[in-house]
Amino acid sequence: GAGVSQSPRYKVAKRGQDVALRCDPISGHVSLFWYQQALGQGPEFLTYFQNEAQLDKSGLPSDRFFAERPEGSVSTLKIQRTQQEDSAVYLCASSLEATSGTDTQYFGPGTRLTVL
Amino acid sequence: AQSVTQPDIHITVSEGASLELRCNYSYGATPYLFWYVQSPGQGLQLLLKYFSGDTLVQGIKGFEAEFKRSQSSFNLRKPSVHWSDAAEYFCASGGDKIIFGKGTRLHILP
Repeated sequence: GAGVSQSPRYKVAKRGQDVALRCDPISGHVSLFWYQQALGQGPEFLTYFQNEAQLDKSGLPSDRFFAERPEGSVSTLKIQRTQQEDSAVYLCASSLEATSGTDTQYFGPGTRLTVL
Repeated sequence: AQSVTQPDIHITVSEGASLELRCNYSYGATPYLFWYVQSPGQGLQLLLKYFSGDTLVQGIKGFEAEFKRSQSSFNLRKPSVHWSDAAEYFCASGGDKIIFGKGTRLHILP
């Protein structure tokens, strides 16, 4: 497809488990973003990649969160030792230009993570 | 610090009525402003954006927004809503990163 895709769409994890969330951005898009959206809230910035370089990770809530984009295309957000407060929808977005917050971002459908 | 406020958590309007969703921003420089819509199970879709120039911006699905620097506002409007407009609407401000408001859920009465 032509849009941003994410997998899995739903993930249930037991507290303490590690999870990996995948994002396939639009082909050719330079910038990739991860957001966390808690229930009833707006998306909150987690991290930003320009190609394979992670230029901003200021939004990652703890060192249990790790993101990578090794070849400048697909990205993976990994959460280690999941906690109940990690339950949220994780959104991925991509944009064509190499800008952090000014270009139009195209969002995937999100991965809903539930930690029991 | 960069911030976005959407004062209304829920808005209910009748089908065919006009709509205005409020958004206030806080940003030192000229802001990049966006409105996104999120339907259940869907990703966020861009309705419109303002970077510079004409302060009245036209978007998709018949939506428009007006940038008012004096009021630090970027309200979203539609002259006549349709039942399919029921969704969550997010205002966002761009700069170093995009900051989203908490959203306004729009309900449509038949």
